[in-house]
Amino acid sequence: QQQVKQSPQSLIVQKGGIPIINCAYENTAFDYFPWYQQFPGKGPALLIAIRPDVSEKKEGRFTISFNKSAKQFSLHIMDSQPGDSATYFCAASLSTGGGNKLTFGTGTQLKVEL
Amino acid sequence: GAVVSQHPSWVICKSGTSVKIECRSLDFQATTMFWYRQFPKQSLMLMATSNEGSKATYEQGVEKDKFLINHASLTLSTLTVTSAHPEDSSFYICSVQSYYEQYFGPGTRLTVT
Repeated sequence: QQQVKQSPQSLIVQKGGIPIINCAYENTAFDYFPWYQQFPGKGPALLIAIRPDVSEKKEGRFTISFNKSAKQFSLHIMDSQPGDSATYFCAASLSTGGGNKLTFGTGTQLKVEL
Repeated sequence: GAVVSQHPSWVICKSGTSVKIECRSLDFQATTMFWYRQFPKQSLMLMATSNEGSKATYEQGVEKDKFLINHASLTLSTLTVTSAHPEDSSFYICSVQSYYEQYFGPGTRLTVT
């Protein structure tokens, strides 16, 4: 029930394309859904996040779509650039007495080609 | 967001020795910090939650006597890997919680020979 499923495992798009990464969860107690970008050898960087009472959120070229009834959410990257080539992780947060614990998806390796 | 540093960025140690990794919150007083482990081409796995002034809470399957966590101040948490073995070689990453967000450090690459 704590799992977050992420797909695809890898993705190649052309420069300017719109890669879409999908995630699904089971636990309806999750209350916050962030996306992280990670470059090789670096820590993850928070990209954008959404709460379950919102269906869509945009920040710059990044958009999260959230479907609460289907327990699914996705990341869209508009006008993708070679510099966006990285691994992307979705996550789901569960509030506990001692902190908000994140459960991560398995990751999507994105390559944006010229 | 919060700025987090880790030290060292990489470390090599011999099997059986202990190594300490520091995680600092540079611009934010972090009541709660987290420690993760990431193996090559895998996702992040939460090891433990660290609350300032109290004992860390470890995830199932993580040996608390092997991975000692100390969160002695609002800006510093440490992870000590005791009696390290080659299978402990991994990328260790800390994060700080700021409201709902978690901000991650740059990670520490541990290699045990």
